[in-house]
Amino acid sequence: AQTIHQWPVAEIKAVGSPLSLGCTIKGKSSPNLYWYWQATGGTLQQLFYSITVGQVESVVQLNLSASRPKDDQFILSTEKLLLSHSGFYLCAWSLTANSDYTFGSGTRLLVI
Amino acid sequence: GEQVEQRPPHLSVREGDSAFIICTYTDSATAYFYWYKQEPGAGLQLLMSVFSNVDRKEEQGLTVLLNKKDKRLSLNLTAAHPGDSAVYFCAVHTNAYKVIFGKGTHLHVLP
Repeated sequence: AQTIHQWPVAEIKAVGSPLSLGCTIKGKSSPNLYWYWQATGGTLQQLFYSITVGQVESVVQLNLSASRPKDDQFILSTEKLLLSHSGFYLCAWSLTANSDYTFGSGTRLLVI
Repeated sequence: GEQVEQRPPHLSVREGDSAFIICTYTDSATAYFYWYKQEPGAGLQLLMSVFSNVDRKEEQGLTVLLNKKDKRLSLNLTAAHPGDSAVYFCAVHTNAYKVIFGKGTHLHVLP
């Protein structure tokens, strides 16, 4: 069975500090991977997607970047956090371009 | 681009009653539709996925209706119970690799 794991579960970070969030998918080779951001009480906004190792497409510019260093790993990062980066970050995977998304448990980020 | 409107934003029902949530979308070419449930502090749980050639789908107390003519997708929870209290999101697959979500409905089931 496939599992999706996000880390850390929660973070409190200072404005201007760096950030790295991770997502790992086990049990599925070559999944499509996605990063979503959810403002507190808001809807989900797709940030990035990746079809294969080393390839990441940006959907929305939020002063964040993403990388896929391994087939089963998706990283979201920035060198300088903004207050507006606070929220809930969700990683997801899908089998094909048009199949269901399975979401991780998310990382809650508070920037102060 | 595709627009997804979801309503109501907040919904309170009594235990045993039905809860009805509706979404409208703009792109008639949209082929895949989803309903997700999010409990407090948690990720999203897929409730049901519907392909565009389906008008009605029922599973475990949930009924999804798809009206392609009106570009409307609905979710009906029959006999809601307190454990159903959560935020519900509709989502549409606009094109490959992109899913757009509605703004969510906060459902509160009162005992």
